[in-house]
Amino acid sequence: QKEVEQDPGPLSVPEGAIVSLNCTYSNSAFQYFMWYRQYSRKGPELLMYTYSSGNKEDGRFTAQVDKSSKYISLFIRDSQPSDSATYLCAMRGSGGSNYKLTFGKGTLLTVNP
Amino acid sequence: DVKVTQSSRYLVKRTGEKVFLECVQDMDHENMFWYRQDPGLGLRLIYFSYDVKMKEKGDIPEGYSVSREKKERFSLILESASTNQTSMYLCASSLTPNYGYTFGSGTRLTVV
Repeated sequence: QKEVEQDPGPLSVPEGAIVSLNCTYSNSAFQYFMWYRQYSRKGPELLMYTYSSGNKEDGRFTAQVDKSSKYISLFIRDSQPSDSATYLCAMRGSGGSNYKLTFGKGTLLTVNP
Repeated sequence: DVKVTQSSRYLVKRTGEKVFLECVQDMDHENMFWYRQDPGLGLRLIYFSYDVKMKEKGDIPEGYSVSREKKERFSLILESASTNQTSMYLCASSLTPNYGYTFGSGTRLTVV
């Protein structure tokens, strides 16, 4: 089983739709969870950052972490064409020299006007 | 905002050449990373560094080396470029392990 699984899509939705992006993971030591957005031919940019379980909201974006199910989600409300990008989940443990993030392979999202 | 700058956006090199990819960050970050990104394979960690002159192998270090002589600069070296090293290379930095990464815009390297 891969450490982080992410449905690659592609996912195509109409403008204004609610988008749900998900990742599952197998390493129970993961404590920090992130979502990155990557536009075509650009580097990933950090979108959301959460620690342990719970929800975090930032504008139209909500990140959820359910550690008991080893499942994280990113919700995008009122999706816009400018949200069209690849979304990568990432996570890491805590303590020691655990500097490395483990990334999902990304989900390609297209929001159609 | 922290900026991570990769010196080249596109590079074309010949098989067997020694290739240097340069990365500079402007915010005194301790940790720096080199990834390659390939379709269907996602981001794979090549090398990382958590301090000047310190380096550690990532998941796919074969055929690569790195140099970090100054805190702000982290170089990836392809000792003898091969066609299977054609990829998008991404550099990243982070302030501490508890922070997310800031990525550069990437270098798309083609080895012919």
